[in-house]
Amino acid sequence: AQSVTQLDSQVPVFEEAPVELRCNYSSSVSVYLFWYVQYPNQGLQLLLKYLSGSTLVKGINGFEAEFNKSQTSFHLRKPSVHISDTAEYFCAVSPARSNSGYALNFGKGTSLLVTP
Amino acid sequence: DTGVSQDPRHKITKRGQNVTFRCDPISEHNRLYWYRQTLGQGPEFLTYFQNEAQLEKSRLLSDRFSAERPKGSFSTLEIQRTEQGDSAMYLCASSPGQLATNEKLFFGSGTQLSVL
Repeated sequence: AQSVTQLDSQVPVFEEAPVELRCNYSSSVSVYLFWYVQYPNQGLQLLLKYLSGSTLVKGINGFEAEFNKSQTSFHLRKPSVHISDTAEYFCAVSPARSNSGYALNFGKGTSLLVTP
Repeated sequence: DTGVSQDPRHKITKRGQNVTFRCDPISEHNRLYWYRQTLGQGPEFLTYFQNEAQLEKSRLLSDRFSAERPKGSFSTLEIQRTEQGDSAMYLCASSPGQLATNEKLFFGSGTQLSVL
């Protein structure tokens, strides 16, 4: 089975500062990795995903993440955050090959709060 | 593309009652997923459908939970004899097919269930 640990439950940051949201995963098989964002009163939206190839993945809204197999990490970064980035961020993992429909295993989430 | 629609948005029920939620996926999406999200946790996978076939249901929480997708379009999730521990947000997601390079899950806004 696969699991995800998001190391920070809350991350406060000032506007225009850089941010890193940490995610570590555990799996005995190859995995796909994802970051989803949940804005208040909205459904989850995909930010970015790693399936294979380049370990640096760029997503929407200026976010990027780097897959590090040796450290089993997939940290999310943004060089300069905006107030509108305030949201809940979820890291998720699925087995790369699966008969279970690629069901995602989510972390508990990190609440990003951007203040002026 | 009108997005994934879930109905109702909120449901309050008394313990022991049965409840049913509906999910309308994005048109022509053949995969449909149900997740549950409790406060402070990430979404937890419950079950999924490929068209009308329920291909994974071992992770439904108990035999009180059941899901259907009779014509391969909308889906319902039923909880019988509700318990207070069933209180949660129930999320539906859809995708065009096998989770692969250019695909992602599209989530609805969820149904918030409160069991009194």
